[in-house]
Amino acid sequence: GDSVTQMEGPVTLSEEACLTINCTYTATGYPSLFWYVQYPGEGLQLLLKATKADDKGSNKGFEATYRKETTSFHLEKGSVQVSDSAVYFCALSYNNAGNMLTFGGGTRLMVKP
Amino acid sequence: DTEVTQTPKHLVMGMTNKKSLKCEQHMGHRAMYWYKQKAKKPPELMFVYSYEKLSINESVPSRFSPECPNSSLLNLHLHALQPEDSALYLCASSQGGTGREQYFGPGTRLTVT
Repeated sequence: GDSVTQMEGPVTLSEEACLTINCTYTATGYPSLFWYVQYPGEGLQLLLKATKADDKGSNKGFEATYRKETTSFHLEKGSVQVSDSAVYFCALSYNNAGNMLTFGGGTRLMVKP
Repeated sequence: DTEVTQTPKHLVMGMTNKKSLKCEQHMGHRAMYWYKQKAKKPPELMFVYSYEKLSINESVPSRFSPECPNSSLLNLHLHALQPEDSALYLCASSQGGTGREQYFGPGTRLTVT
């Protein structure tokens, strides 16, 4: 079946450091890929998405490129802020019944001043 | 407006109580979802409603009973819960179709005593 694998956290960085959170997926078809972010005590917010190979999603300084050849969708940011501290979930979905999401395990990011 | 609202924000209930969680969206989305999220884990899908009809039940115990009164509202009725049901319950909605992202509410933090 389909699955999403993320690097285990926590990832601890100093403010203004570069961020990469790895995400790879296993899928039988051509899914859409998403990054969601969950701040403490809140629900999930869509951060960015890509719907086909070579698409780049971007938002709030974060970027991720849909790489079909390596089945990856790594999240990157050039300079993190303390306010970026959160849990990040990579996910995929198909145009199937209910458009269901398959989530990775989540990666906690902690940014220190 | 990409807002999904959930009430209450927090709920404490005994194992013999009956309570309900409420979710509302006004984005015209035709698919709505209930998820359960335990600490440090990704959300787990419970139910999917598509066009106000239950389309997916992920083998959820009958002590959880979903209801979709209309296209904007989704309820989750709770009865005779167990302490292990304590979790964050998230509602989401989606327009449906290929690559359509889900929008999540802030969640209800449920504690079963």
